[in-house]
Amino acid sequence: GIQVEQSPPDLILQEGANSTLRCNFSDSVNNLQWFHQNPWGQLINLFYIPSGTKQNGRLSATTVATERYSLLYISSSQTTDSGVYFCAVPPAGNNRKLIWGLGTSLAVNP
Amino acid sequence: KAGVTQTPRYLIKTRGQQVTLSCSPISGHRSVSWYQQTPGQGLQFLFEYFSETQRNKGNFPGRFSGRQFSNSRSEMNVSTLELGDSALYLCASSLEGRYNEQFFGPGTRLTVL
Repeated sequence: GIQVEQSPPDLILQEGANSTLRCNFSDSVNNLQWFHQNPWGQLINLFYIPSGTKQNGRLSATTVATERYSLLYISSSQTTDSGVYFCAVPPAGNNRKLIWGLGTSLAVNP
Repeated sequence: KAGVTQTPRYLIKTRGQQVTLSCSPISGHRSVSWYQQTPGQGLQFLFEYFSETQRNKGNFPGRFSGRQFSNSRSEMNVSTLELGDSALYLCASSLEGRYNEQFFGPGTRLTVL
């Protein structure tokens, strides 16, 4: 089945720094979601981005479906950005379940 | 519009017991999926329901079961609990359709002693 790999696994930033998180997937997909999981476990939708680029405030994401990767950019990081960032994709031919990467754990220090 | 709700938020059970978790999807969403999150295995798909029918199932033993009601609310049940069932159980809802973006509830944290 499809494999999802995220890098880096852990990241520590000083407040105000920028960062790029990467998600590689092993097969073609027709959608991709990025999530932020806060310290209480809530998964917050960041982007639904099967291809192209989207921006939402200090966050933006780019998916290059033909090369099987997606990038999440965080600019001017804040302590509230801390948590785990996941990307998830559906397996081929089944868009009703998600296969997850192991996440990038981000800590933003003041 | 209210988000996905899950009850209870926290549960403590002992081995051998059974447990039922509940999920109410976003109004108008008819697809409900369940995921298990553990530190060792990450997020794993359990099953997905639509119109009271299970459409997809992950690789979990038969002790894990679920159902969906006519109002799209869903329950999952775990029987004969094992220590390894301790996890965060997350429910997601989505509109049926081509793009199927999933939205998650706050989760139920189950501890098995």
